[in-house]
Amino acid sequence: GAVVSQHPSRVICKSGTSVKIECRSLDFQATTMFWYRQFPKKSLMLMATSNEGSKATYEQGVEKDKFLINHASLTLSTLTVTSAHPEDSSFYICSARTDRANEQFFGPGTRLTVL
Amino acid sequence: QQQVKQSPQSLIVQKGGISIINCAYENTAFDYFPWYQQFPGKGPALLIAIRPDVSEKKEGRFTISFNKSAKQFSLHIMDSQPGDSATYFCAANQAGTALIFGKGTTLSVSS
Repeated sequence: GAVVSQHPSRVICKSGTSVKIECRSLDFQATTMFWYRQFPKKSLMLMATSNEGSKATYEQGVEKDKFLINHASLTLSTLTVTSAHPEDSSFYICSARTDRANEQFFGPGTRLTVL
Repeated sequence: QQQVKQSPQSLIVQKGGISIINCAYENTAFDYFPWYQQFPGKGPALLIAIRPDVSEKKEGRFTISFNKSAKQFSLHIMDSQPGDSATYFCAANQAGTALIFGKGTTLSVSS
């Protein structure tokens, strides 16, 4: 299957700082990437849909000014958590979709801990 | 109408047994139904997927059964192994839209 990478795999930061998470499709081009958030023992919660070259579409209740998404190329999307606070601590997972088959492949996730 | 309901929430199966996880959906426009496997601290991995033009798809020990009229689909894991212990998510979508996920099933296979 297609490979999606995420960097970093885990990050610890102080409250008030900003953190950038990268999501890359390694062996395919992804016009659409998705960002999810997952709490312990819970399902994946879609945060936003990112299309290459255009603004991301955010789900209801997700603050677009807090979670900045950039999809600058067909293989890279970034999520920046601005002015992070402890309640932003979570497991963030990206996915990328192949246009051909509507299949969606997930990255390994990034564990964010805000102190 | 956008929900995907998954059951059971947790499942304990003996080694060698059959694990069955069920999902139901409401939106008849959905045309893609994947199952994902997730281990703790890892991202979900695509396990198997089906489209509504077939009623069953088998890949190794994993089988999806699909009932279009009942708007239900299920994952069967044959000869369950301790290494299958993980959380399983069903999902559904219509082409071009984001996947809608079920709440997940935690499977424990005892040896």
